[in-house]
Amino acid sequence: GQSLEQPSEVTAVEGAIVQINCTYQTSGFYGLSWYQQHDGGAPTFLSYNALDGLEETGRFSSFLSRSDSYGYLLLQELQMKDSASYFCAVRDGGSNYQLIWGAGTKLIIKP
Amino acid sequence: DAGVTQSPTHLIKTRGQQVTLRCSPKSGHDTVSWYQQALGQGPQFIFQYYEEEERQRGNFPDRFSGHQFPNYSSELNVNALLLGDSALYLCASSFFGGSGANVLTFGAGSRLTVL
Repeated sequence: GQSLEQPSEVTAVEGAIVQINCTYQTSGFYGLSWYQQHDGGAPTFLSYNALDGLEETGRFSSFLSRSDSYGYLLLQELQMKDSASYFCAVRDGGSNYQLIWGAGTKLIIKP
Repeated sequence: DAGVTQSPTHLIKTRGQQVTLRCSPKSGHDTVSWYQQALGQGPQFIFQYYEEEERQRGNFPDRFSGHQFPNYSSELNVNALLLGDSALYLCASSFFGGSGANVLTFGAGSRLTVL
């Protein structure tokens, strides 16, 4: 079956760096995505990795290792507005290319 | 440029009733996907519509059905509501094919409460 594992909660200090990990198990892999969702809001797209390596977009970076079935989201220079839930999602070729989502990581930022 | 709009934002139904949720995709997008999100959980894929046809379906019963119109807007219908159907229903639009398929734009959702 398919599964994605990510920590349920991470706490960090404003201005610091935090890494949110995601490990996946799918029958076919066609890319790892990250979405941010504030309480009561809609998920918003952050990044997409199809190939191994690091993708950087401003303060956010996303990494993928297909051989390890592992990826992470790196948030730098944390701001209070980054407090939200972060979801990893994998496009699974074994499930007709559906997007399979993790349960989300709640990021708590303290001043 | 309007993003994805959903209606209604909140609604309350009783068990056994039927509900219809509506979604207008982002301008330029031709594909609509529907998700169910329970509190504290990740979105669960219900189905995807492209060219007015259901292209993919998640593990949801036939009580969940949908439609896509020629203007790309979409409806989600749920029949014979159960208490467990209480959730946030999210609509996401994208552009079919190529890298655009990997970038979903979500609406704010319709929160359904079944009593």
